[in-house]
Formats: sequence, structure tokens, C-alpha cells
Amino acid sequence: RKEVEQDPGPFNVPEGATVAFNCTYSNSASQSFFWYRQDCRKEPKLLMSVYSSGNEDGRFTAQLNRASQYISLLIRDSKLSDSATYLCVVNSGGYQKVTFGTGTKLQVIP
Amino acid sequence: DTEVTQTPKHLVMGMTNKKSLKCEQHMGHRAMYWYKQKAKKPPELMFVYSYEKLSINESVPSRFSPECPNSSLLNLHLHALQPEDSALYLCASSQGPSEVYEQFFGPGTRLTVL
Repeated sequence: RKEVEQDPGPFNVPEGATVAFNCTYSNSASQSFFWYRQDCRKEPKLLMSVYSSGNEDGRFTAQLNRASQYISLLIRDSKLSDSATYLCVVNSGGYQKVTFGTGTKLQVIP
Repeated sequence: DTEVTQTPKHLVMGMTNKKSLKCEQHMGHRAMYWYKQKAKKPPELMFVYSYEKLSINESVPSRFSPECPNSSLLNLHLHALQPEDSALYLCASSQGPSEVYEQFFGPGTRLTVL
């Protein structure tokens, strides 16, 4: 089993739709979780950290399920500008090492 | 200032060349990272520096040589690379090594080895 797994997609959704991505991780000792977005040929940019209690930032909601070892990202009212690859990131060895999932590609269609 | 800068943006080099990639941050971060990213793949960790000391080397071939001259700068020296080393090289920084802090990435150097 891979350390961090994501459905590669692509998810093609119409503008205004709600879309959700999941990411599963294998290391039960992992403590820190993040979502990044990466546009084509650009660097990853931090979208949000994922806290145990869940967190929300505008149209984006992230949740953590420790029992089932997955994190989720919900995007409401999708915009064309949300089209990107969404990378799940999990700490994987001490404090300094994180592992990236393979990413989920989102395409928002007019 | 929440920016990580990298130079050059693009680099083309032959297999016998020696070149260096540079990364700079002025956020007071004490951990800095080098990643390699191939097309349609996630970033792969290469090196981690904590408080200017190399703390993680992910079994990277010796033709890649990192250097941290001070807390704001990180270099990656390249020598005798192979065509399969062509990739996007990303630098990142985070607050420090004592907790898992968010990492902030530079725009990357797109390297082509001929």
C-alpha cells in the first residue's frame, strides 16, 4: 500500500458544483496533514492545513478521519480558477519529512 | 514577505557541465528543502537542511551536492548529470524542524540535461 493515495481523476465538474476529494494514508502515527494545489508547470501552493476538528476557509472545507486514516477536501461553488491538481501531504517521518500524494486533477467546466 | 525565490528559472546543461541552482528565503525559516518533480508526478524529497545542517539525504546520487551557506540561502550543485535528471527542481522552506510546519515553495528551476 502506498503511503499516501489519491484518486488521480480527472474530476470534470460544472461551475457552481460541489466536489470532494479523499486521500488515504498508511502511517497511523502521522500527525500533520495539508492540502496543496498545483497549477500546470507551477509550484505547489499551500491551500490549507487539516486539523483534527476540521477546518473551513471560504468555499473550502478540510476534514480528518483518524479512525479510517483519510483526509478530505470539499470545494463548494466551484470556479473555473479552481481547476488545478490538488495534492494531499502527510508527515511521514519525524517532523521534517512529508510525503505527497500523487494528486487529484480537477477541471471546472463553464 | 512570504516568498521563496529560485534562480535560474530554466537551465539547459550538458552531461559534462557543472552548474548550481540557488534558493533564497527571508521569512526567518530554519528548515529548507530540495525536491525533484517529474512531469505528472508529485514532488520527491531530496534533501532537508535544519539550522543550516544537512539532516536528511534521501539517498540522492552524489552528482547532486547541496550546500547551505547561511540560514537564508540554499544551493544545489550539479555535476555530471544524466538526461533522466531533467525535471523541475523545487526549493521549499518551513518555520523549523521541531514541528511539522507548512512548507512554502519557490517557483522552481526547470532543468534539461542534454
